[in-house]
Amino acid sequence: QKEVEQDPGPLSVPEGAIVSLNCTYSNSAFQYFMWYRQYSRKGPELLMYTYSSGNKEDGRFTAQVDKSSKYISLFIRDSQPSDSATYLCAMSGRSTGNQFYFGTGTSLTVIP
Amino acid sequence: DAGITQSPRHKVTETGTPVTLRCHQTENHRYMYWYRQDPGHGLRLIHYSYGVKDTDKGEVSDGYSVSRSKTEDFLLTLESATSSQTSVYFCAISEPLEMRRPFNYGYTFGSGTRLTVV
Repeated sequence: QKEVEQDPGPLSVPEGAIVSLNCTYSNSAFQYFMWYRQYSRKGPELLMYTYSSGNKEDGRFTAQVDKSSKYISLFIRDSQPSDSATYLCAMSGRSTGNQFYFGTGTSLTVIP
Repeated sequence: DAGITQSPRHKVTETGTPVTLRCHQTENHRYMYWYRQDPGHGLRLIHYSYGVKDTDKGEVSDGYSVSRSKTEDFLLTLESATSSQTSVYFCAISEPLEMRRPFNYGYTFGSGTRLTVV
């Protein structure tokens, strides 16, 4: 079993839709949860990060962590064509040091 | 890109030849990483470095070696390239995201090297 599971999609939505991206994980030691966005032929870039359970909002993006269910989500409101990218979740904890565990990524296309 | 430069950006090489990829950073980060990214596997850690001459293996280190003789440069060498090493290779640095939570690190990635082994 992989440490982090992520549905690869692809996901295709109309412009303006609410998008929900999700990851599950198995290691209860994970404390830090991140979402990276990767445009085609580019390196991943950090989009949002959260610590432990709860929600964090940044503009149209909301990151949600449920540690009891080992489940994290990224919501995108009012999705735009510029949101079309691959979204990767990543996790780490004190016991993992600097090593991150990544999901395989979900490919999202927002259709104008 | 937080001063991270990867070279070359693209390379085609023949099976059995050695290949070296270079990662250069300008901001004196202690930790540097090499990842490969493949469809269905996502990002997998090859090797990482926690200082000059200090390196350690990651999840998929077989067939790869690294060197870090200067803080700013982290080299990845494929000793004898195989077709299974055809991939996109990313270098990354890590830095704390919040000073009050020193174990909360974030990665900054380079733009990647697309390597094809024929």
